[in-house]
Amino acid sequence: NAGVTQTPKFQVLKTGQSMTLQCAQDMNHEYMSWYRQDPGMGLRLIHYSVGAGITDQGEVPNGYNVSRSTTEDFPLRLLSAAPSQTSVYFCASSSLMDRGLNYGELFFGEGSRLTVL
Amino acid sequence: AQTVTQSQPEMSVQEAETVTLSCTYDTSESDYYLFWYKQPPSRQMILVIRQEAYKQQNATENRFSVNFQKAAKSFSLKISDSQLGDAAMYFCAYRSGPNSGGSNYKLTFGKGTLLTVNP
Repeated sequence: NAGVTQTPKFQVLKTGQSMTLQCAQDMNHEYMSWYRQDPGMGLRLIHYSVGAGITDQGEVPNGYNVSRSTTEDFPLRLLSAAPSQTSVYFCASSSLMDRGLNYGELFFGEGSRLTVL
Repeated sequence: AQTVTQSQPEMSVQEAETVTLSCTYDTSESDYYLFWYKQPPSRQMILVIRQEAYKQQNATENRFSVNFQKAAKSFSLKISDSQLGDAAMYFCAYRSGPNSGGSNYKLTFGKGTLLTVNP
């Protein structure tokens, strides 16, 4: 029962480098999203997707890119890393179907700690 | 846009005592869901409890219960018989329901309350 799998768990980058955070879920969820967590700021939505081929911006999308080619995968790309992108990143997914027992609940990955020097 | 406010950045409680964490939210919708998530030092986000706005009965999960005051837009979490393992960051969150007329995709979080449990 894998749920939501994020890789890598830790990453150190230099300013200007690019990288991709991987996210995969095996629950056939339509909705997938990326959040960043910073001290005192809670979790802020970066990008989200409601199905393959459909993505949209969240609250803090600048500097990040996403795509959704399959239901299972939702990678987050940092195009040119900046120190301001030092954060903990969470991928989360949920069902958007009828009001079942788990309706509305987000299932989270374990998080990825990214440091940009 | 909906907002979620947690007015207590930090709280502490003695082991075996009861503590209440506060959360207020702002919305014009009538169909929505509210959640409390727990984040221990392991960083994993764990769902503690959820409440559907159309249900008047307060949700309960073992030692965790909520006081849902829809008119006041308040959603507090009560932890009874606190245990050392309850020490964590707690986040209150709001999500629009499917019949809200707005976007039911996004989950909006408060900034969190750090709970310390003293032995």
